[in-house]
Amino acid sequence: IAGITQAPTSQILAAGRRMTLRCTQDMRHNAMYWYRQDLGLGLRLIHYSNTAGTTGKGEVPDGYSVSRANTDDFPLTLASAVPSQTSVYFCASSGTSEDTQYFGPGTRLTVL
Amino acid sequence: GQNIDQPTEMTATEGAIVQINCTYQTSGFNGLFWYQQHAGEAPTFLSYNVLDGLEEKGRFSSFLSRSKGYSYLLLKELQMKDSASYLCAVRDSNYQLIWGAGTKLIIKP
Repeated sequence: IAGITQAPTSQILAAGRRMTLRCTQDMRHNAMYWYRQDLGLGLRLIHYSNTAGTTGKGEVPDGYSVSRANTDDFPLTLASAVPSQTSVYFCASSGTSEDTQYFGPGTRLTVL
Repeated sequence: GQNIDQPTEMTATEGAIVQINCTYQTSGFNGLFWYQQHAGEAPTFLSYNVLDGLEEKGRFSSFLSRSKGYSYLLLKELQMKDSASYLCAVRDSNYQLIWGAGTKLIIKP
C-alpha cells in the first residue's frame, strides 16, 4: 500500500465506552496529525506528533489521547466517549511539520 | 484570535470560470494551502502559496497577497467533477494549519 490507512471506516459507539481509532502510514513521514471535521466548521486539530516518541496538543485535545511508539502508527483513543465526540476523524501525515499534509480516508464516529 | 473566512457556497456553470476567495487573520504566516474535498472523502492537496503572486497548475491557479491577508483559488473550464468543497488553510507561527470551514462549489450543466 501507499499512503495512509484508517480503521474502522465507521463506528457507532455507546456513550462511556472506550474507543481507539487506528492510523497507519507507509510514507516514512515524521509528522502525523489527528483532526475532527464537523458540519459548518473547519478541520480542528486534536493532537499531533512531529516525530516518533513525541506528541503535542492541538486546538481541541480534551477527551482524547494519542501515542507515537513508532514512525508508522498514530492511534487516537477516546477514554470515555461522549455524544459531542460524534464527528468525522481524519488522520494526516507530512514529511516534517513544514511539509504538505496528506490525509487518510477518515473514520465516521457516532456516539449515542 | 485566528480566523479564516471563505464563502459557504458558490454556484457556477460547466465550462465557466469561478474564483473562491479566502481572507485570514492568524498568529504568524508560514504559507497558505488549498485543498479539495469531495463529499464523504478526504481532503486532497491542490496548491501552496508562501510568496505573493499567482501559482498556476493546469486548470487551477492560486493567488496570495500577504499584506492584505487574502488568497483566491481560480478554477477554469469547470467540469462536473469539480463539484466539491474547497478548503483554505493557513500555516501559523507554530507550523499548525488553521482551516476555514470550506466553500461548497456546485457546478450546473
